[in-house]
Amino acid sequence: DAGVIQSPRHEVTEMGQEVTLRCKPISGHNSLFWYRQTMMRGLELLIYFNNNVPIDDSGMPEDRFSAKMPNASFSTLKIQPSEPRDSAVYFCASSRRTFLPGRPNEETQYFGPGTRLLVL
Amino acid sequence: AQSVSQHNHHVILSEAASLELGCNYSYGGTVNLFWYVQYPGQHLQLLLKYFSGDPLVKGIKGFEAEFIKSKFSFNLRKPSVQWSDTAEYFCAVKETGRRALTFGSGTRLQVQP
Repeated sequence: DAGVIQSPRHEVTEMGQEVTLRCKPISGHNSLFWYRQTMMRGLELLIYFNNNVPIDDSGMPEDRFSAKMPNASFSTLKIQPSEPRDSAVYFCASSRRTFLPGRPNEETQYFGPGTRLLVL
Repeated sequence: AQSVSQHNHHVILSEAASLELGCNYSYGGTVNLFWYVQYPGQHLQLLLKYFSGDPLVKGIKGFEAEFIKSKFSFNLRKPSVQWSDTAEYFCAVKETGRRALTFGSGTRLQVQP
């Protein structure tokens, strides 16, 4: 089975430009997460969706960042305008949240290859 | 707020040495625990996970971890490392009722041939 797919794998852009990162979750997964990895802050959650609905975007750094999930198989993370401090690796992860009797909280997130973003 | 501590930031071992990487978390309630590995230039891969039951869990590639509730710890172990284990290792915790994973800062393991 294909894992989480992200594109592009690498992006170099200039300050002020719009950047769009894309993610295709694992088929059948109903939750999608966007994380950012930097040397200074490590891995941190930006936003997550459940059944295509944004649930928690408290990790989104500021209004320049926006994320959408128009359907179960596609999500975008957009930065407009981009700034050098946005340079990081952006990971998408997906999971299938189930509610098994006696095991309601078992959920594993699977990560994509990441997009390495460099804003000059 | 939940925090996850990985005290070993950089570990250097020779092949065949034993490995133990520490992970401690601060949340007092029920948690799900994970170890992920990130090989150079690659994405995070799941090594192993703990949800409930036997506190000693076995993962891929000969790794195992032990959940000690009283110590809020979930240390990763491998009896004999290989050069191919060179990577960065992340401990992650999910609190009951929350969806997000909280990651530790990572431990960079370098195995010398």
